[in-house]
Formats: sequence, C-alpha cells, structure tokens
Amino acid sequence: RKEVEQDPGPFNVPEGATVAFNCTYSNSASQSFFWYRQDCRKEPKLLMSVYSSGNEDGRFTAQLNRASQYISLLIRDSKLSDSATYLCVVNPSGTYKYIFGTGTRLKVLA
Amino acid sequence: NAGVTQTPKFRVLKTGQSMTLLCAQDMNHEYMYWYRQDPGMGLRLIHYSVGEGTTAKGEVPDGYNVSRLKKQNFLLGLESAAPSQTSVYFCASSYGAGRILISYEQYFGPGTRLTVT
Repeated sequence: RKEVEQDPGPFNVPEGATVAFNCTYSNSASQSFFWYRQDCRKEPKLLMSVYSSGNEDGRFTAQLNRASQYISLLIRDSKLSDSATYLCVVNPSGTYKYIFGTGTRLKVLA
Repeated sequence: NAGVTQTPKFRVLKTGQSMTLLCAQDMNHEYMYWYRQDPGMGLRLIHYSVGEGTTAKGEVPDGYNVSRLKKQNFLLGLESAAPSQTSVYFCASSYGAGRILISYEQYFGPGTRLTVT
C-alpha cells in the first residue's frame, strides 16, 4: 500500500461546480498535512495546510479525519483557473521527510 | 525575497557527462530537499539536508551526490548521467519538519528540466 494515495482523476467539472478530493495516508503518526497545487510544468505551491479542526480559505475547505486516516479538499464555485493538479502531502512526526501523493488532476470546463 | 531559486532551468546532457544543479534559498531555512518528478510517479526524494554541513539519503539516491557547504545553498551532482535520470528536478526548503502541533510547509524552486540522451 502506498503511504499516500490519491485518485489521479481527471475530474472534469463545469464552472461553478463543487468538487471534492480525498487522500488517504497509511502512517498513523502523521501530524502535518498539506494540499499543494501544481500547474503544468511548474513547481508545487502551497494551497493550504490542513488542521485537525478543519480549515477554510475562501472557496477552499480542507478536512482531516484521523480515525479513517484521510484528508479532503473541497472546492466550491469552481473557476477555470482552478484547473491544475492537486497534491496531498503528509509529514509524519519525528521525520524530516514529506510524502507526496501522485496528485489529482482537475479540469474546470467553460 | 527571491524565495527558492534553481539553476539551470534546462539542460541536455549526453550519457556519461556530469553536472551540478544549484539550489539557493534566502529564507534562512534549515532544511533543504532535492526531488525528482516523473510522469505518473509523483515527487520522489533524492537527498535532503537538515542543516549546514549535513546531508542524508532519500528514497532514490543512487547516481546522485549532494553537498550543503553553506546554509543557503544545496547542490545536487550527477557524476555520470544516465538516460534514466531524465526528469524534472525540484529543490525545496522548509523552516522545520516533523514537529508535533506545528506544521512547516515546504517552498519549492521553479525546477530544472534535465534530458539525458
């Protein structure tokens, strides 16, 4: 089993739609979680950190479910500019390593 | 602040040639990382450093060497390039990592696209 797993997609959604991605992780010692966005041929950029209580940033909401070992990202009112690959990242406690999922591709269609 | 920079942006090598990729950060971060990204495989850690003068192997270290002589710089060397090393290489840095109750995000450089023929 991979340490971090994501559905590769692509998720094709119309503008204005709500879309959600899940990411599962295997290391129960994981403490820090992140969602990164990566545009084609560009570097990953931090979208948001994921906190135990869940957090929201504008149209984006991240949730953590420790019992089931998954994190989620919800995007409301999708924009064309949201088209990208979304990477789930986990940093287990006591380690300097960040473990990346292979990413979920989102295409928002006009 | 420039953040994380990488040089060069593109490079084509012939099999057996050597080269060094330079990563520099101006955020006073302790931790620096080198990743490679290949289609369908996500980011894989090559080597990392938790401070000046220290380096450690990651997931795919074979064929690469690194050095961290100055806190702000992390160099990745390919001694004898092979076609299997054709990839996009990303450098990243973070202030910390692996702490309980504190999350440290990584900041990435723009990448180096390397082709080995």
